[in-house]
Amino acid sequence: GAGVSQSPSNKVTEKGKDVELRCDPISGHTALYWYRQSLGQGLEFLIYFQGNSAPDKSGLPSDRFSAERTGGSVSTLTIQRTQQEDSAVYLCASRTTNEKLFFGSGTQLSVL
Amino acid sequence: GESVGLHLPTLSVQEGDNSIINCAYSNSASDYFIWYKQESGKGPQFIIDIRSNMDKRQGQRVTVLLNKTVKHLSLQIAATQPGDSAVYFCADPGPPDAAGNKLTFGGGTRVLVKP
Repeated sequence: GAGVSQSPSNKVTEKGKDVELRCDPISGHTALYWYRQSLGQGLEFLIYFQGNSAPDKSGLPSDRFSAERTGGSVSTLTIQRTQQEDSAVYLCASRTTNEKLFFGSGTQLSVL
Repeated sequence: GESVGLHLPTLSVQEGDNSIINCAYSNSASDYFIWYKQESGKGPQFIIDIRSNMDKRQGQRVTVLLNKTVKHLSLQIAATQPGDSAVYFCADPGPPDAAGNKLTFGGGTRVLVKP
């Protein structure tokens, strides 16, 4: 595709349920990032994938959060046992090394 | 990268006036900075970037200034238009030898353009 694609665009879930958020990066981009953005706030780094290297998971807020990137392309962010404080926009971005990031439109997650 | 910015102030500007958005960074080894614009309901979009061997770079109606001495950069928008209303973020990919390249973002500045 022409840009970074994220799905779903909106997700409403109940507290305690698991959710999966998907990111399709731009073809050929070796680096993929997940960020979280709470209402009216800046971007909080979550996790970073670069090629076949081990991901940088230092931004994941708890062990309920995990992410994987299959085949160096599509990535899935999983949040287990969701809590209300997990409600936010989850943004995915990709780039080639040392170039600017291209962002998707994000997934708005609402935990009731 | 180190922390950048860390607040979300609001800049209210009259249509047609110039806007100046500021950003501070903490890592003196950083050599590349990016400004992003985020409109409501959308992901951030690239505006302009600058490398540390420059102190000024101009784009279409936008200028970025970099002051390495005080670790400060600014984004200037000329003749601000209603379509410029958005949140603006500065970003720092971190020093060139960083293994992670997390691309740390500042907290952002909301620009509201008054007609």
